[in-house]
Amino acid sequence: DAGVTQSPTHLIKTRGQQVTLRCSPKSGHDTVSWYQQALGQGPQFIFQYYEEEERQRGNFPDRFSGHQFPNYSSELNVNALLLGDSALYLCASSTKRGTPSYEQYFGPGTRLTVT
Amino acid sequence: RKEVEQDPGPFNVPEGATVAFNCTYSNSASQSFFWYRQDCRKEPKLLMSVYSSGNEDGRFTAQLNRASQYISLLIRDSKLSDSATYLCVVNSFNDYKLSFGAGTTVTVRA
Repeated sequence: DAGVTQSPTHLIKTRGQQVTLRCSPKSGHDTVSWYQQALGQGPQFIFQYYEEEERQRGNFPDRFSGHQFPNYSSELNVNALLLGDSALYLCASSTKRGTPSYEQYFGPGTRLTVT
Repeated sequence: RKEVEQDPGPFNVPEGATVAFNCTYSNSASQSFFWYRQDCRKEPKLLMSVYSSGNEDGRFTAQLNRASQYISLLIRDSKLSDSATYLCVVNSFNDYKLSFGAGTTVTVRA
């Protein structure tokens, strides 16, 4: 049973560039959430996708956008990168069917460094 | 005010010791509570849910005090493998996000 997978594992970008991160949810899951974890902090909720729609958004600027595909996988896009965007980006999957929606399972994350 | 606040520690304890720490949450509508464990540079993993009556999972005991809005975690007979950051997590009714504290670091020494 494959867990949550994310790619790439590491990424280095320059200020002003754009980046796309990818996530495949755990088998049987249909909901994907994205979190940003800065060094020494807990993960902060960016947004959640369900049925290919953004269902809820955290306190992040419009530079952060996402997409969910029919196979439930998801992308996180960040435009006009700032140094402060350097963080571990975590994808979490969950399902509306059966288990409560708050039981979220995390992928290994993508570590983004902006220089 | 942060939604979830934790004592960052670090708590440095010998093997076999008992260690306990709390977190507080600000939203009285919070409904679901969890402890996640995060190893260095890895993803958070669910350690245990926290129920109103308190619950145990092996050497781990979690308590919830709704009146005072705090959650606690106690680790008995600490093992070297318990060294990690413990994240307090809260979820509110009809809210899809998990709200995390900044974590409490525990180091168990031989």
